[in-house]
Amino acid sequence: DTGVSQDPRHKITKRGQNVTFRCDPISEHNRLYWYRQTLGQGPEFLTYFQNEAQLEKSRLLSDRFSAERPKGSFSTLEIQRTEQGDSAMYLCASSPRTSGSADTQYFGPGTRLTVL
Amino acid sequence: GQQVMQIPQYQHVQEGEDFTTYCNSSTTLSNIQWYKQRPGGHPVFLIQLVKSGEVKKQKRLTFQFGEAKKNSSLHITATQTTDVGTYFCAGPVRGSTLGRLYFGRGTQLTVWP
Repeated sequence: DTGVSQDPRHKITKRGQNVTFRCDPISEHNRLYWYRQTLGQGPEFLTYFQNEAQLEKSRLLSDRFSAERPKGSFSTLEIQRTEQGDSAMYLCASSPRTSGSADTQYFGPGTRLTVL
Repeated sequence: GQQVMQIPQYQHVQEGEDFTTYCNSSTTLSNIQWYKQRPGGHPVFLIQLVKSGEVKKQKRLTFQFGEAKKNSSLHITATQTTDVGTYFCAGPVRGSTLGRLYFGRGTQLTVWP
């Protein structure tokens, strides 16, 4: 399967715990995006990487959130001291373009986080 | 700030009826993209429109991009139960080179057999 993969698919955690999600984009895709989606809403942009550089972060991304893409391939999203409001589907997407305007984004299956 | 709005939020149709969802942006978009998300699934890319006034068709689906590049529509002719899902429009702000997409809230389509 050459699509975007995410791990884990589901995560249940207690409030205050740290969680880390992984995203493996489509091979050779330069751009990688993280979105958050809650019930009844469209995906909300969190952050974006071009290769290993994190080029933009949303104001939604509080200090408790950190994302990395150390080698320009897979990416991790960590949430520290989780809160119940963090419960959502975390989607990763990748795109092949290296310049110019937005190109098609291919989404992974998402990681559903539930904070108890 | 950038806002992308979609109406209606929900649409219930009998199989065979037509369906239309509308998308409006508060700012001019470089392009408009449409995604479909099946229940329990993730967004799947359908199409991208780039030119002002552009119209594209995919079988029973017709996509339009407004002249001012601030609005778009998706029309499905003779809906089928396989059309069930939430349809999102999304676009980057014109002039942006960063690829960030602003998504609408989506229109959830239910098709009754």
